[in-house]
Amino acid sequence: EDQVTQSPEALRLQEGESSSLNCSYTVSGLRGLFWYRQDPGKGPEFLFTLYSAGEEKEKERLKATLTKKESFLHITAPKPEDSATYLCAAFDSNYQLIWGAGTKLIIKP
Amino acid sequence: KAGVTQTPRYLIKTRGQQVTLSCSPISGHRSVSWYQQTPGQGLQFLFEYFSETQRNKGNFPGRFSGRQFSNSRSEMNVSTLELGDSALYLCASSSTGDGNTIYFGEGSWLTVV
Repeated sequence: EDQVTQSPEALRLQEGESSSLNCSYTVSGLRGLFWYRQDPGKGPEFLFTLYSAGEEKEKERLKATLTKKESFLHITAPKPEDSATYLCAAFDSNYQLIWGAGTKLIIKP
Repeated sequence: KAGVTQTPRYLIKTRGQQVTLSCSPISGHRSVSWYQQTPGQGLQFLFEYFSETQRNKGNFPGRFSGRQFSNSRSEMNVSTLELGDSALYLCASSSTGDGNTIYFGEGSWLTVV
């Protein structure tokens, strides 16, 4: 069964303390892996799309990478405004979008 | 370019009533998906419409239905509301839905009392 698992469920960091969020997937015929950021009470905001192993994308303090089994969202020198829930999702070979449960990131000043 | 627009943003309904939520996708997008999000369940896929046809459906009871119009705007309806239907309902659009990035609206908060 296709599955997307995110870890950790929650992560507390001090401002400036870099870390990574993990998204491991078992999806047949991956058609794309997506990262979103969601603030409380709002819809998810698109961050990155990755299509093939080895691909990397960056945006400000965030960098997403993809291997054949997992994706990482690296956050460098985070600020309190980076606090949010980060979601990943994968399109399988039938173009069904499989969602992870998310990682709640808290950055303390 | 305008984003995905959902109306209403907040609503309160009584058990047994029905509700209709509306979604206007990004201009040019033909695929519209609906999701239910609750604190303990994360994002749950309801259904996806493309060119007025339901293309995919999640595991929800028949009380949940939707439709898409020729201008790609979409509505979802929940009949005979239950307390457990209280959730954030999210609409997302993409150009074709086949691996393209999907963009979400701000959601409609439904509270059933």
